[in-house]
Amino acid sequence: DSGVTQTPKHLITATGQRVTLRCSPRSGDLSVYWYQQSLDQGLQFLIQYYNGEERAKGNILERFSAQQFPDLHSELNLSSLELGDSALYFCASTQGVNTEAFFGQGTRLTVV
Amino acid sequence: AQSVTQLGSHVSVSEGALVLLRCNYSSSVPPYLFWYVQYPNQGLQLLLKYTTGATLVKGINGFEAEFKKSETSFHLTKPSAHMSDAAEYFCAVSERGANNLFFGTGTRLTVIP
Repeated sequence: DSGVTQTPKHLITATGQRVTLRCSPRSGDLSVYWYQQSLDQGLQFLIQYYNGEERAKGNILERFSAQQFPDLHSELNLSSLELGDSALYFCASTQGVNTEAFFGQGTRLTVV
Repeated sequence: AQSVTQLGSHVSVSEGALVLLRCNYSSSVPPYLFWYVQYPNQGLQLLLKYTTGATLVKGINGFEAEFKKSETSFHLTKPSAHMSDAAEYFCAVSERGANNLFFGTGTRLTVIP
């Protein structure tokens, strides 16, 4: 158990819909990262938050957004969903800079 | 910009044989280097990492990797494969001072009894 909790584990939704994925980092970790794992794109960094503020942005679509709340949990919002958004979405957390990233078990999103 | 190349999307070895998974990186400055393992339906687990110091890094489950700056490589090895090593392995890099990871495309390791 990495200590990072992601909910839900599975999500099936229709094209055009909006979903919210949730991540609770390890206790004490201030940074949260979101990654997307898909068959065609592999594992891609989406976005990082540190103590409530956006710290780094990767290949995140404009239809996607994230935030980190005062209790340090984070949500990834995916809107106007397309079939190609079907993927495994991972959250990771770290305590500081260049420290080990601990990954959650992921949310498998299926868009039909 | 960072990039990672993993040669061989699938590698098969016999139980007890040497495991060698290849990783090359492209970066203007030597980055931090990582190997992660992903078992089916699970998240990623850190096997080992190189930041500074000794270039031969030992990780969990008997794996090790050597950072070779001249070859821009960070290949993962294990002297003797075990059935439980069957999984997908990802090489990743991060810039010094940053934690966001750039991953290779992964190598699926199959261990044949």
